[in-house]
Amino acid sequence: KAGVTQTPRYLIKTRGQQVTLSCSPISGHRSVSWYQQTPGQGLQFLFEYFSETQRNKGNFPGRFSGRQFSNSRSEMNVSTLELGDSALYLCASSLGGTLGETQYFGPGTRLLVL
Amino acid sequence: DQQVKQNSPSLSVQEGRISILNCDYTNSMFDYFLWYKKYPAEGPTFLISISSIKDKNEDGRFTVFLNKSAKHLSLHIVPSQPGDSAVYFCAASGSSNSGYALNFGKGTSLLVTP
Repeated sequence: KAGVTQTPRYLIKTRGQQVTLSCSPISGHRSVSWYQQTPGQGLQFLFEYFSETQRNKGNFPGRFSGRQFSNSRSEMNVSTLELGDSALYLCASSLGGTLGETQYFGPGTRLLVL
Repeated sequence: DQQVKQNSPSLSVQEGRISILNCDYTNSMFDYFLWYKKYPAEGPTFLISISSIKDKNEDGRFTVFLNKSAKHLSLHIVPSQPGDSAVYFCAASGSSNSGYALNFGKGTSLLVTP
């Protein structure tokens, strides 16, 4: 089975721009979660989608948004980029049926905001 | 507010010896605990998990111990191998309003020396 894939792997943007990142989950997985990893804060939960609905949301500003499509693929969008948004953005998928399921991570998208 | 804490940023162990990585948590609602391993430029890879109804789970060289009363878990790697050198993240989730989110510690960098 193919793993979680994320595109693009690297991105460079400037302040004020917006960016869209894409995630394809493992086949059969219906839950997709997004995390931000920075050196100072570690891995922080952004949001989780299941069956095209946002089921959970972390403590991030409204500039961070996401969506999920009927094939479970997900996108996250960051608008009005700030320098502090430079991070590794990780997507994880799981079957989505129960709490505590193992989440499987993609390789991440490295975003640099200049 | 860091609900999962890994107080040792780094650990160095000789090949063949035991590696013990520790993790503490503050939220008594956490029911599921996972350990992930991460190499640079890759996403976290799931290693082993434990639910709160157990106090030990073993998978090959990896054993996770959970002490609910102390809100403490540990990962034991025996014997340690150079290929185990990576950053190890402890994560927790549970029955809360963000039940599907994984709460991560900031990681412990393990170096296994020949």
